[in-house]
Amino acid sequence: QQPVQSPQAVILREGEDAVINCSSSKALYSVHWYRQKHGEAPVFLMILLKGGEQKGHEKISASFNEKKQQSSLYLTASQLSYSGTYFCGTETGTAGNMLTFGGGTRLMVKP
Amino acid sequence: KAGVTQTPRYLIKTRGQQVTLSCSPISGHRSVSWYQQTPGQGLQFLFEYFSETQRNKGNFPGRFSGRQFSNSRSEMNVSTLELGDSALYLCASSSLGDNTEAFFGQGTRLTVV
Repeated sequence: QQPVQSPQAVILREGEDAVINCSSSKALYSVHWYRQKHGEAPVFLMILLKGGEQKGHEKISASFNEKKQQSSLYLTASQLSYSGTYFCGTETGTAGNMLTFGGGTRLMVKP
Repeated sequence: KAGVTQTPRYLIKTRGQQVTLSCSPISGHRSVSWYQQTPGQGLQFLFEYFSETQRNKGNFPGRFSGRQFSNSRSEMNVSTLELGDSALYLCASSSLGDNTEAFFGQGTRLTVV
């Protein structure tokens, strides 16, 4: 079962903040965040692992609540380049790389 | 460092035909995963190969198959194509280990007519 992302879409003005949420009904081992621009490949943003380890871009922050199987991506002082569709991908096991993606959140940043 | 390369970028096939897509991972990456992306179903996991062995498999029919070569390059094959197989097929490579970040290729846009 795929994780649920919210909101489905959001429109921001440059400089505004946004939070994108990802919720799973299964116990998670890790949560991955990607951004995809139209016609392009998804680009890795961040990975959050059970136990607290995080890896990702310096300007991106996220949280992972292991007990609630929820993750949130925080976009602060948004820029036009932040526009795109954000996907969370979840892994429930530790063996291999097999992501179950949410439906995506469309973010549009306007001048 | 070169990124993930997928060929071809675009493909048009007729129902009933078969197709083979290719993926060359980032140098040194041994894990290759395949995903199908459609407007209706989103991004769905097909399978993952690691050291020439299928390590994980998604819920797709047996018409979808793949393999990985000793140089980590991977191919996926779809036989007896159906209209519903029209999609963007994305390949992602990961470095040694589990639960590591995946780097995606540009994808192959398959259209079945």
